[in-house]
Amino acid sequence: NAGVMQNPRHLVRRRGQEARLRCSPMKGHSHVYWYRQLPEEGLKFMVYLQKENIIDESGMPKERFSAEFPKEGPSILRIQQVVRGDSAAYFCASSPGQLNEQYFGPGTRLTVT
Amino acid sequence: QKEVEQDPGPLSVPEGAIVSLNCTYSNSAFQYFMWYRQYSRKGPELLMYTYSSGNKEDGRFTAQVDKSSKYISLFIRDSQPSDSATYLCATTGRGSQGNLIFGKGTKLSVKP
Repeated sequence: NAGVMQNPRHLVRRRGQEARLRCSPMKGHSHVYWYRQLPEEGLKFMVYLQKENIIDESGMPKERFSAEFPKEGPSILRIQQVVRGDSAAYFCASSPGQLNEQYFGPGTRLTVT
Repeated sequence: QKEVEQDPGPLSVPEGAIVSLNCTYSNSAFQYFMWYRQYSRKGPELLMYTYSSGNKEDGRFTAQVDKSSKYISLFIRDSQPSDSATYLCATTGRGSQGNLIFGKGTKLSVKP
């Protein structure tokens, strides 16, 4: 059973460009969470999605960031007009249920130059 | 007051030692507790998941939860150099929609 998959693993963007991060949950998991880890900081929750629904986006910046989890295909975290402060590791986790254990992917390391 | 507090370390122990890692949390609504291990530049790996007070054992790892004092611990017996990593505690509960609140992590080094 494949684990949570994320791609790309590394992404370099210039300021002002768009970044698209993809996450495929574990087989049988319909709950997806996105977290961000800044250097020397802990993991911070961003958004929680189920298929075709955003359940909780309280941790997501109000501007430039959006997320989706379509009926078919991976979940996508989109960052428009990236700035240097967006440089971080972005992790996706999946779970079989809302309060079940979460399994993390390897992360996407975004570098904004 | 932060919701989850964790001593960042670093913590250095000799191989074979018993390691004790600890976190405190502030919200009594938190009911589910997890410990993750994260190697450098890798994703967090789930070690333990528990939702009740008391002890849960899995191999060399024991998770302990004391809800009365809002204190959680992870014990590692017979520590190995391969245990060298950052250990993250996390919690969630009703009202948080299941999203995890993490401590900042404790960096552990096990010396051969």
